[in-house]
Amino acid sequence: ETGVTQSPTHLIKTRGQQVTLRCSSQSGHNTVSWYQQALGQGPQFIFQYYREEENGRGNFPPRFSGLQFPNYSSELNVNALELDDSALYLCASSTDSGRAYEQFFGPGTRLTVL
Amino acid sequence: QKEVEQDPGPLSVPEGAIVSLNCTYSNSAFQYFMWYRQYSRKGPELLMYTYSSGNKEDGRFTAQVDKSSKYISLFIRDSQPSDSATYLCAMRATGGFKTIFGAGTRLFVKA
Repeated sequence: ETGVTQSPTHLIKTRGQQVTLRCSSQSGHNTVSWYQQALGQGPQFIFQYYREEENGRGNFPPRFSGLQFPNYSSELNVNALELDDSALYLCASSTDSGRAYEQFFGPGTRLTVL
Repeated sequence: QKEVEQDPGPLSVPEGAIVSLNCTYSNSAFQYFMWYRQYSRKGPELLMYTYSSGNKEDGRFTAQVDKSSKYISLFIRDSQPSDSATYLCAMRATGGFKTIFGAGTRLFVKA
């Protein structure tokens, strides 16, 4: 069984640029959630994708967008980067069964915006 | 007011001590209560979950939920240096699509 993987591990961008982060979900999982974790804080929910459709979103502006592919892998896109976007971005996969609370997290992508 | 409040610590204890970690919450719709452990530079991993009120034990770990007080706890018995990590409480409503996390408590267990 392959766990959740994310790429890249680290990324440095400048303010105003755009970034794409990638996530491969755990085998058999059809739901992917993305979180932003600022230093010293808990993960904050960005959005969730289920069967290629966004089915829930947290308090993040539209410049945060995503995609889910038929193989259930996912991308997080952030446009017009701001300094406050510097954080660890985590993706988590789960199933649509009764164990939807059980999320498996990837190691994260550390984004630094200068 | 945040939906989930958690003391960020840090909490430093000697090896073998009993550790108590706590969270309070305000949303009475929460039914799933989870504890995640996060080591430095890693993603969170699910330690335990409890549905609704009650206690759950797994080895050295015990999770408690008191819905009347909107208070949850994680106890670690016989703490080990390898338990040194950040512990995140997390909650979710039945049928809900998002999990709300606390800020995390940093725990240091000294050998």
